[in-house]
Amino acid sequence: EIVLTQSPGTLSLSPGERATLSCRASQSVSSSYLAWYQQKGGQAPRVLIYGASTRATGIPDRFSGSGSGTDFTLTINRLEPEDFAVYYCQQYDKSPWTFGQGTKVEV
Amino acid sequence: EVQLVESGGGLVQPGGSLRLSCVASGFTFSTYWMSWVRQAPGKGLEWVANIKEDGSEKYFVDSVKGRFTVSRDTANNSLYLQMNSLTAEDTALYYCARVYSSSSGRAFDVWGQGTMVTVSS
Repeated sequence: EIVLTQSPGTLSLSPGERATLSCRASQSVSSSYLAWYQQKGGQAPRVLIYGASTRATGIPDRFSGSGSGTDFTLTINRLEPEDFAVYYCQQYDKSPWTFGQGTKVEV
Repeated sequence: EVQLVESGGGLVQPGGSLRLSCVASGFTFSTYWMSWVRQAPGKGLEWVANIKEDGSEKYFVDSVKGRFTVSRDTANNSLYLQMNSLTAEDTALYYCARVYSSSSGRAFDVWGQGTMVTVSS
């Protein structure tokens, strides 16, 4: 099983700042099969990035994904108030499909 | 509007069974893999099961193998999760999700609102 470790667990930032979230895999993950999700309280997750760097439909360009192999990054430029949420990475490369434990971005 | 609506959750005793349903609308259900993902209270996301477009392939996380089955009914645009021998560790909000696939990658691009399963005596 591929274990995804996200860091930091919590990121305390202010609106307008940049957030850099890390996702490290226990073994290499094909870039095509790494995605990022945002989840706000009481809501279902929403896909932000797939294929490590492709923004999903309707996602603002302040969200960007990068990385390959075992190290992936989600960057949120100029945080907006609505961006404060929990973010998960997920790999689809090998079964079982696994999620990271999440990073909370808080004010 | 593309939509997934789950139902069937509730309170069940340990060792009991429950069948979750997910009705899809607004897209061609038969052309997508579908999945179940769960989230225990206050915890992260856990993928539970996948089923291929035609139902010919199914995959499960180890913790539910032999207890859960997944099926689909194209005529009714429905996805199901049959859960048997439930334990407290199965207590979670269960989401159904559509698997989007392209040359650029995959993602769960559509999610339902979830249905809550509580296993307790």
